[in-house]
Amino acid sequence: KQEVTQIPAALSVPEGENLVLNCSFTDSAIYNLQWFRQDPGKGLTSLLLIQSSQREQTSGRLNASLDKSSGRSTLYIAASQPGDSATYLCAVFDRGSTLGRLYFGRGTQLTVWP
Amino acid sequence: EAQVTQNPRYLITVTGKKLTVTCSQNMNHEYMSWYRQDPGLGLRQIYYSMNVEVTDKGDVPEGYKVSRKEKRNFPLILESPSPNQTSLYFCASSFVGRSALPLSNTEAFFGQGTRLTVV
Repeated sequence: KQEVTQIPAALSVPEGENLVLNCSFTDSAIYNLQWFRQDPGKGLTSLLLIQSSQREQTSGRLNASLDKSSGRSTLYIAASQPGDSATYLCAVFDRGSTLGRLYFGRGTQLTVWP
Repeated sequence: EAQVTQNPRYLITVTGKKLTVTCSQNMNHEYMSWYRQDPGLGLRQIYYSMNVEVTDKGDVPEGYKVSRKEKRNFPLILESPSPNQTSLYFCASSFVGRSALPLSNTEAFFGQGTRLTVV
């Protein structure tokens, strides 16, 4: 069974900073890793999807990397803005002993202040 | 537009009164699943389905039922709701499935959520 951990649990930074959010998982047998954003009480917005064969994906100011062998992913946010304030979740789609299960970390709550 | 649709978005009910939360996707996905999200506990999987008539328990299946009679729909049934089932529920779908290997795009799509309160 996968264990997904996100560090830090919370982060508060001034506007303009570059940020790194971390996600680790225990079993390298995955289909993909997906980063989501969630605003309070709202649904999940998919930010980036990295297939297991890929190392990196970029979308605008966001860049996600995947090192499957070490069980790690990072989400890099460049030039942060107050509108980036939200909880960021990572999830892995297992293809190992629990085939088809999607496991989530508990998220990093990000606050960007002006 | 590709989407996962949950209904209702908000529901307040009383203990013991059976309810169904519907989930429908228009992407011909094989895989569908249900999650609940609670403060401090994150997202936990309730049930998932790899294809029509194939369902499996997730981490917290107690008190819930599901069915997958057709590919597009995956309803979540609470036969006798209790206050500890008050939560925010999400449905998701994806191409991942036992017949989908080798895989191309396996992105998971989520519904907007159903906020359930059981009093």
